[in-house]
Amino acid sequence: GQQVMQIPQYQHVQEGEDFTTYCNSSTTLSNIQWYKQRPGGHPVFLIQLVKSGEVKKQKRLTFQFGEAKKNSSLHITATQTTDVGTYFCARLGSARQLTFGSGTQLTVLP
Amino acid sequence: DGGITQSPKYLFRKEGQNVTLSCEQNLNHDAMYWYRQDPGQGLRLIYYSQIVNDFQKGDIAEGYSVSREKKESFPLTVTSAQKNPTAFYLCASAEGYLWIFGDGTRLSIL
Repeated sequence: GQQVMQIPQYQHVQEGEDFTTYCNSSTTLSNIQWYKQRPGGHPVFLIQLVKSGEVKKQKRLTFQFGEAKKNSSLHITATQTTDVGTYFCARLGSARQLTFGSGTQLTVLP
Repeated sequence: DGGITQSPKYLFRKEGQNVTLSCEQNLNHDAMYWYRQDPGQGLRLIYYSQIVNDFQKGDIAEGYSVSREKKESFPLTVTSAQKNPTAFYLCASAEGYLWIFGDGTRLSIL
């Protein structure tokens, strides 16, 4: 399936610092979803973006969908230790299968 | 509460042995999916089913088989043809754009 590339692969931040992960596609995306997976856990749905230039916020999390619908980002303001985990973007295809990016593993140092 | 139940949580396989991973959902979702996750990597789609008695291969179906005889159940068999089965296996069901994942099964080779 069509790939979504995600960077960085790893990110270590000091508690209180901001964090951003980026998702890029070579083709136009009809939608992008974001998931969080805690260590040892399963992915948990965070949000879906479908509109060009869309920006959505969930408390300290800000999600953006690029104007060309080829990239997306997740930004966390003032990270906390509870933010630790791996963040994945994913594309829902026309055959209704979800294709995941490789994920960004976030470590928050207290 | 509605959700997805995967069992067992941990599974060990001997060389040349087939093993079956269970996935049950009581969410009344039509669509169910199996993903494989290797350490530090994203999720890759093995098989998916949009409706009872029908299923399709995902990106890495070789060495795996599934059945969908009931809406609630979507078991995955890891056959002896799968030469590198050690991984974390995640089952999911979906309604619309909302995906719910089970807690996963960790499969190891003895």
